[in-house]
Amino acid sequence: AQTVTQSQPEMSVQEAETVTLSCTYDTSESDYYLFWYKQPPSRQMILVIRQEAYKQQNATENRFSVNFQKAAKSFSLKISDSQLGDAAMYFCAYRSSISNFGNEKLTFGTGTRLTIIP
Amino acid sequence: DAGVTQSPTHLIKTRGQQVTLRCSPISGHKSVSWYQQVLGQGPQFIFQYYEKEERGRGNFPDRFSARQFPNYSSELNVNALLLGDSALYLCASSLRGSGANVLTFGAGSRLTVL
Repeated sequence: AQTVTQSQPEMSVQEAETVTLSCTYDTSESDYYLFWYKQPPSRQMILVIRQEAYKQQNATENRFSVNFQKAAKSFSLKISDSQLGDAAMYFCAYRSSISNFGNEKLTFGTGTRLTIIP
Repeated sequence: DAGVTQSPTHLIKTRGQQVTLRCSPISGHKSVSWYQQVLGQGPQFIFQYYEKEERGRGNFPDRFSARQFPNYSSELNVNALLLGDSALYLCASSLRGSGANVLTFGAGSRLTVL
């Protein structure tokens, strides 16, 4: 079974600075997807960024980028130019790419609470 | 376009009661998944339904059941509630239920069991 570990329960960063959230995972599969989701106090999980394991290039979405190290099974999220609206719980998640139709289970980590200091 | 909608948003039950949570997926989405998020933890997978058939089940007791209707909406039922069932229940929908599909989540139903 796959597991996802987020070792930083809480992080804080000054507004406009850069912060990196860590995530490691364990799997015996060679192809899979990795995600970062954001959960603000409104409770709704919002997709931040997605990475396909077969792609060597790290994904980037505006101020958000990842450092995907497949051999190390590491998937960190970097937030540049932090804004007050970035304050939230951030969850790392894994999904198998096994092509059985309907295989969509996400395995989440325990989350990192990010605080933005004005 | 409306996102994933869930109802009720909050509810309080007592031990031993039964609860039904409802989810309407994004229009055109045929897959619905349910997750349980206990306070301070990440969401845990409960069920996935695609085209009205169960496609995945997490490690939850038989007190948990679900179904998907012809319009692709879904219900999650929990019988014989325990204090430990207190959690945020999240519903997510996607277009095809596999591959590179992205899950879109609703805002959840907060269940408190007293």
